Amino acid sequence: DTEVTQTPKHLVMGMTNKKSLKCEQHMGHRAMYWYKQKAKKPPELMFVYSYEKLSINESVPSRFSPECPNSSLLNLHLHALQPEDSALYLCASSPTGSGANVLTFGAGSRLTVL
Amino acid sequence: GEDVEQSLFLSVREGDSSVINCTYTDSSSTYLYWYKQEPGAGLQLLTYIFSNMDMKQDQRLTVLLNKKDKHLSLRIADTQTGDSAIYFCAESRGPRGNTGKLIFGQGTTLQVKP
Repeated sequence: DTEVTQTPKHLVMGMTNKKSLKCEQHMGHRAMYWYKQKAKKPPELMFVYSYEKLSINESVPSRFSPECPNSSLLNLHLHALQPEDSALYLCASSPTGSGANVLTFGAGSRLTVL
Repeated sequence: GEDVEQSLFLSVREGDSSVINCTYTDSSSTYLYWYKQEPGAGLQLLTYIFSNMDMKQDQRLTVLLNKKDKHLSLRIADTQTGDSAIYFCAESRGPRGNTGKLIFGQGTTLQVKP
């Protein structure tokens, strides 16, 4: 299995809703990432988990809450979002250790906040 | 992505070669990457190059690295309509090892005309 699977593919939520984005990989990668991508822009790093521990938080607002319950799963919990948070949320994973940072990306979850 | 720069658009005819250029700023980057993103999809790694190399070839793809000028290019030979996509160059930053930050350029939209 060489894929990163993200669910749901599309999500529409109101500003008072609580929802979660899910990401799963079975490649044995011990690093997992959340990126946010606005239309016609490059992906921007949000969070990095290494060995199930949060290693990088790019000053993301607390209305985004990541969780890594085990080495295969990564969640992004969403609460009280704003319309400007509408974007494509990309999950990725990579091997750890020295060498190239070769990320495998999922297809993304497209979020619309009304 | 502001520290990694790319031209925004390139149009070529099918069968021609495409050359996408990128400049980066962090001279300590050990690896540089090219990713491809098709509409509505995640990012797919095309190739990467170690900073002590000048060139890497992989089938139709040739990467050239000029470390002195911090310039990276991707040449696609015999460009096909299926190559139409957004191409991102990226550099690694942050902690040693490969769970650091991946910083993307703005992306170059490649349009291939039949």
